Formats: sequence, C-alpha cells, structure tokens
Amino acid sequence: EAQVTQNPRYLITVTGKKLTVTCSQNMNHEYMSWYRQDPGLGLRQIYYSMNVEVTDKGDVPEGYKVSRKEKRNFPLILESPSPNQTSLYFCASKLGGMSYEQYFGPGTRLTVT
Amino acid sequence: AQKITQTQPGMFVQEKEAVTLDCTYDTSDPSYGLFWYKQPSSGEMIFLIYQGSYDQQNATEGRYSLNFQKARKSANLVISASQLGDSAMYFCAMRNAGNMLTFGGGTRLMVKP
Repeated sequence: EAQVTQNPRYLITVTGKKLTVTCSQNMNHEYMSWYRQDPGLGLRQIYYSMNVEVTDKGDVPEGYKVSRKEKRNFPLILESPSPNQTSLYFCASKLGGMSYEQYFGPGTRLTVT
Repeated sequence: AQKITQTQPGMFVQEKEAVTLDCTYDTSDPSYGLFWYKQPSSGEMIFLIYQGSYDQQNATEGRYSLNFQKARKSANLVISASQLGDSAMYFCAMRNAGNMLTFGGGTRLMVKP
C-alpha cells in the first residue's frame, strides 16, 4: 500500500531533550516536506526537500533540522525542544516536477513540557 | 511572500444543499497552484482538488468544484449536495514556483441533518 508513515504518532517530552520524528514513504517520491499545524494557523511549512541531499527552509524552520540521505526517509530533528514547539506535525511527499498531489502522513502529536 | 486567507472560521450547511468555502490568495509569482484539503476529525489530510494558475477552466472533482477567479485572486471551493461525512476542517493552500506550500487558517464545516 502506497503510504507515508510517521513515528512516533504521539510524543510527550521535556524541554531540551533532543528528539527525532521519522518520516518514510514507499512511493519513490522526490519531494518531501514537514509541516506543523496549530489552531487558527493552518499548516505551516517547516522544511522541504526536492531530492536526496537537497533541503530548503519553509516558513518556520527555526528550532528544527532535517536531513535527506535517502530518497524514502526525511527525519525531523528537534535538537533542543521548547514548549512553543508543541504542535501536530505532518510529513508529506509527492512526485517532483509539476506533479501536485501531496500525500500526507498520519501526523505526530508532540507535547513539550 | 505569499499569503492565503480563509475568512470563515466556521460554517453550517444543511444536508443535501451546496456550500461555498471562501479562499483568497496573494502572490507575485505568475505561476502557482491552488489546492483544497479536507481534514476530518480523525486528523488525516485528504487532497480534494487542484487548480493551476494557467488553467483555463475551473477544476472539478465529483461533488467538488473550484471557483477560480484569477483577477480577484480567489479560489473558492464549492461542495454540492452536502453529506454528513463532509463535516470537517477545510484548508486552502497555494504552491509557488519554488514548491513552497502555504496554507490558510482553515474553515470548519458542519453539515446539519
């Protein structure tokens, strides 16, 4: 089944403790992206990647890191999480070029205390 | 910078009636794409419909149609014959030539039986 998977789905952590949220897709998509969703603000793009070893900042990259060493994986790293990073995070992927339909993962709900 | 505005935080519609969800956008890019996504209470993001900035005709997908008025920079979603399962959050989004995707704040649609 074609899908985008994220792990973990739920995470409660403390301020300053490094964490990684994994994202993997099995559709051989070139493009992958991370978003955070906060009430009233919709989804805001954190980082995106057009292909392996190519990443770019979105609207809200501060406090986050990403890497794209393999086509299928695009982990989101919070080196020193803070409470304002409490949010619902979505990973998404799509074919590159002019293709438009993004496939979203199920979301990861992160709480930083 | 690009911006998406959804002015209706919440809307009610009677089952079987049509409803229009508003979306206006602002961009200086001549080439862009407009999307609508549905987010039911379960949380996943479901792609509904896409309109390219150079498309001559309004996009349609089943009961969904996109009323694209380029001069007014609006991309309203029309849902015909509303069903109870249409109750959800709806997000308008825009992709620019650089592949960044910007979302509006969303509209919560509630379908009344």
